[in-house]
Amino acid sequence: GESVGLHLPTLSVQEGDNSIINCAYSNSASDYFIWYKQESGKGPQFIIDIRSNMDKRQGQRVTVLLNKTVKHLSLQIAATQPGDSAVYFCAENNNAGNMLTFGGGTRLMVKP
Amino acid sequence: GAVVSQHPSWVICKSGTSVKIECRSLDFQATTMFWYRQFPKQSLMLMATSNEGSKATYEQGVEKDKFLINHASLTLSTLTVTSAHPEDSSFYICSARAGGSMNSPLHFGNGTRLTVT
Repeated sequence: GESVGLHLPTLSVQEGDNSIINCAYSNSASDYFIWYKQESGKGPQFIIDIRSNMDKRQGQRVTVLLNKTVKHLSLQIAATQPGDSAVYFCAENNNAGNMLTFGGGTRLMVKP
Repeated sequence: GAVVSQHPSWVICKSGTSVKIECRSLDFQATTMFWYRQFPKQSLMLMATSNEGSKATYEQGVEKDKFLINHASLTLSTLTVTSAHPEDSSFYICSARAGGSMNSPLHFGNGTRLTVT
């Protein structure tokens, strides 16, 4: 079936640097995308979302970019902190279904 | 914000026994809840959609007689793993939407770590 996937399984960054986590999706009908952060032993935590009628959305220290032409989604974290270390998942929702499909996840490791 | 609570957070059971996991929406009503399973170092895989007052919808490959779902109220869904086997050992996570729109984020519980010995 259609799926959401990630380019990099592990990303290591220096504390204070910016992080960029990428995600490719294949379902062109998807109209809503979410980034989640999952710490070890916990459930996913909502970070930021974006609808398909937008190409950029900013939150506190995070920005999500959506490129519908190439079906690509990215999460940018500014001034990465040790507390940002976690696995990050992108998820998509196509309007046909009331559920989310998750990508494979990227582990972000922040070096002090 | 919307809070989803799961209980227990972890459970160890013997092979052949059944285990019930509860998922509650604490500050909102959820007509629909979702059950996911996550194996180590893998992503979340949707198992089933729990519908209040009606039968759950299971994803392909998920045995409905093995993973019994009951959504008896607007704030509680339960997942029962029947006749558990070691291969059922996994991290089970439930979620729900606080908003009515499909374009609103899912809020997740903190998961239940099931270990079957």
